[in-house]
Amino acid sequence: RKEVEQDPGPFNVPEGATVAFNCTYSNSASQSFFWYRQDCRKEPKLLMSVYSSGNEDGRFTAQLNRASQYISLLIRDSKLSDSATYLCVVFPGNQFYFGTGTSLTVIP
Amino acid sequence: EADIYQTPRYLVIGTGKKITLECSQTMGHDKMYWYQQDPGMELHLIHYSYGVNSTEKGDLSSESTVSRIRTEHFPLTLESARPSHTSQYLCASNPPGEGTDTQYFGPGTRLTVL
Repeated sequence: RKEVEQDPGPFNVPEGATVAFNCTYSNSASQSFFWYRQDCRKEPKLLMSVYSSGNEDGRFTAQLNRASQYISLLIRDSKLSDSATYLCVVFPGNQFYFGTGTSLTVIP
Repeated sequence: EADIYQTPRYLVIGTGKKITLECSQTMGHDKMYWYQQDPGMELHLIHYSYGVNSTEKGDLSSESTVSRIRTEHFPLTLESARPSHTSQYLCASNPPGEGTDTQYFGPGTRLTVL
């Protein structure tokens, strides 16, 4: 079983739409959680950390449900520039585990 | 913006050659990592280091080696390149201390072995 599972998509949404990505992780001892963004043929870049109480950064909202071992990312008012692959990343304390990523294309 | 560099950015090489992929960071980070990523797939950890003279193997380490003689430098060596090594190699680092688990990635080396 994979450490981190994500729906690969692709998600094709119109500009201005709200889109949500989900991610599940297998190690209940995981301590830190992140969403990274990766553009085509580029390196991953941190989008936001995910805190137990949930957190928001502009149009992006991340939620963590430890009981269900589930992480989500909500993007409101999608922009063309949001088109990318979004990676769910989990850190149980020894190494980072990456999901395969969810592909998002925002359509004009 | 993270100051982590990788060279070369692109490399095409023949089977059986020995190659070294370079990674350097100027942030003074103790923790450094090498990942391999195929298109559409997740990152797989190859090696990592928690400081000078400290190296550990990840999931895909069997055909490569690393060294950590200086804090800022973490090169990855493939002793005998094979077509199955064709992939993107990403170097990352993160600072020490609690609450600093954010990884900063270099731009990657895209390797093709013919």
